[in-house]
Amino acid sequence: GAGVSQTPSNKVTEKGKYVELRCDPISGHTALYWYRQSLGQGPEFLIYFQGTGAADDSGLPNDRFFAVRPEGSVSTLKIQRTERGDSAVYLCASSERGGLAKNIQYFGAGTRLSVL
Amino acid sequence: GESVGLHLPTLSVQEGDNSIINCAYSNSASDYFIWYKQESGKGPQFIIDIRSNMDKRQGQRVTVLLNKTVKHLSLQIAATQPGDSAVYFCAENKGAQKLVFGQGTRLTINP
Repeated sequence: GAGVSQTPSNKVTEKGKYVELRCDPISGHTALYWYRQSLGQGPEFLIYFQGTGAADDSGLPNDRFFAVRPEGSVSTLKIQRTERGDSAVYLCASSERGGLAKNIQYFGAGTRLSVL
Repeated sequence: GESVGLHLPTLSVQEGDNSIINCAYSNSASDYFIWYKQESGKGPQFIIDIRSNMDKRQGQRVTVLLNKTVKHLSLQIAATQPGDSAVYFCAENKGAQKLVFGQGTRLTINP
């Protein structure tokens, strides 16, 4: 019955390091989304999974960003060679099923990433 | 210099008054719209949604109006309470998958 869970809530890393951000969607939700939110801005889409496959990764800014969802539930967003510009809140959302005209996405609290 | 992105549109209302938050969306082909509320340190929280084949939908103390002619969406909150203070985002659904969010409006309820 819990909502979308994201860990860690805060992550501080050094420029050039590798980080992994985890998302546990609402149980039974087959669609999972990653967004990035910079200070004072709305969330920006990164990638969408339907089941295990990435149905749309058009929002990933470059090849340093990668996400997986191997069993169709938990997802991990991976960022290689982090840069200071990657600092933001990374939000995960899930919905019952993507590709529907009515698609309420429920968000987690986010992971605040700070790259020093 | 200042960062425009840090300066959200703001709206201040007295507790108990009604508030109206406006949003212009970009894609005339968008067929589904959602309003989210975001409190400090939390993720966006679903408030209300509307499909493009409707022009009005009501919830508990909230009403969403959709004007497709001018691509405009509004959220009306009746009898505002201190707990309504937050940033409000409209989002349009493109391709029934990803959401495209507007800039957001910071609502402050004055006691």
